[in-house]
Amino acid sequence: DAGVIQSPRHEVTEMGQEVTLRCKPISGHNSLFWYRQTMMRGLELLIYFNNNVPIDDSGMPEDRFSAKMPNASFSTLKIQPSEPRDSAVYFCASSPRGGDLLLFGPGTRLTVL
Amino acid sequence: AQKVTQAQTEISVVEKEDVTLDCVYETRDTTYYLFWYKQPPSGELVFLIRRNSFDEQNEISGRYSWNFQKSTSSFNFTITASQVVDSAVYFCALSEVGNTGKLIFGQGTTLQVKP
Repeated sequence: DAGVIQSPRHEVTEMGQEVTLRCKPISGHNSLFWYRQTMMRGLELLIYFNNNVPIDDSGMPEDRFSAKMPNASFSTLKIQPSEPRDSAVYFCASSPRGGDLLLFGPGTRLTVL
Repeated sequence: AQKVTQAQTEISVVEKEDVTLDCVYETRDTTYYLFWYKQPPSGELVFLIRRNSFDEQNEISGRYSWNFQKSTSSFNFTITASQVVDSAVYFCALSEVGNTGKLIFGQGTTLQVKP
């Protein structure tokens, strides 16, 4: 079975541009998580969906960040406008139910110049 | 508040040595999960183990073993006869059952295994 799929794997953009990261969770998993990893802050949860509904978005840093899950097989994380401090690796993870078992995608390495 | 502490920032060993990675956690909940993940140089996060707070039995999987002690809030990870391929960053994490499902990660321990 395919694991969590993320695209793109690498993204380089200029400050002020819009960035959209995509995630396809594992089929049958009801929960989806977006994490960000930086050297300074480590792994931090940005937002969590359960059955396509956002449950906890307290980790979303600012209004420039938004996330959607229009259906059970697709989610996006959008940054508009992007800033250099958004440079990080963004991971998507899915779980059969809540925090029972998070399986991570390969991550998207974002560089904002 | 929930917290996971991995006090060892970096560990360096020579191949075939045994090494233990420490993890201490804080939670007010009585039901929770503990996890270990491996992040090799390629960057992906690989799931290693999940342990339910009600199950304090130690677990062994090949060269890997885990020691869960509720009394000391610790969930330590031992690699026996380490190999160069074990070089990675290892993360311990805590998830409270019945909570939003938020997974709280420790800061990670970088393990370098030298040939």
